[in-house]
Amino acid sequence: GAGVSQTPSNKVTEKGKYVELRCDPISGHTALYWYRQSLGQGPEFLIYFQGTGAADDSGLPNDRFFAVRPEGSVSTLKIQRTERGDSAVYLCASSPGRDDEQYFGPGTRLTVT
Amino acid sequence: AQTVTQSQPEMSVQEAETVTLSCTYDTSESNYYLFWYKQPPSRQMILVIRQEAYKQQNATENRFSVNFQKAAKSFSLKISDSQLGDTAMYFCASHSGNTGKLIFGQGTTLQVKP
Repeated sequence: GAGVSQTPSNKVTEKGKYVELRCDPISGHTALYWYRQSLGQGPEFLIYFQGTGAADDSGLPNDRFFAVRPEGSVSTLKIQRTERGDSAVYLCASSPGRDDEQYFGPGTRLTVT
Repeated sequence: AQTVTQSQPEMSVQEAETVTLSCTYDTSESNYYLFWYKQPPSRQMILVIRQEAYKQQNATENRFSVNFQKAAKSFSLKISDSQLGDTAMYFCASHSGNTGKLIFGQGTTLQVKP
């Protein structure tokens, strides 16, 4: 079956612009996670959705970052007023439930110039 | 707060030999899971092996096995009969029982040499 997909695979934007990153989880998975991975580092947790609601958004670095999952499937990570420090690979993962294996997408590489 | 530490930034091994990657962790939770993930240059994070903390028996998946020392909070990965396709970055991770989020270590880059 289809895995987790993320679009775009690469995004280059100018400092100060707004970007949206999309995640399509595996069908039927109720849990969805966003992580951010800087070059040469391990992924860092950003936000966790259970269904439509954000169950844990403690990893969002500041109020420029926001994520939604309005229908409990597709999720969008939104970054306002991008900064060069936002450059990273943004990974999405989904799982059937909170304690199940997380399946990762291929990530979106964001570059802020 | 949970932390995961990988103290070996880079490792190399000859094809067909055995290599062990180290990981230590810290958590205040009683119910948790530990994982090793592999990330090749394609960026796709792939689960290698999973260990439930309440299980004393070390997990094994084909050529991959772990040495889980709960009291020492140590969770190392052993790769036997290394293959060229094992070349990748390997991440150790712990799972928070409260939210399910994964806490990752800094990673170990493994190169398998022919």
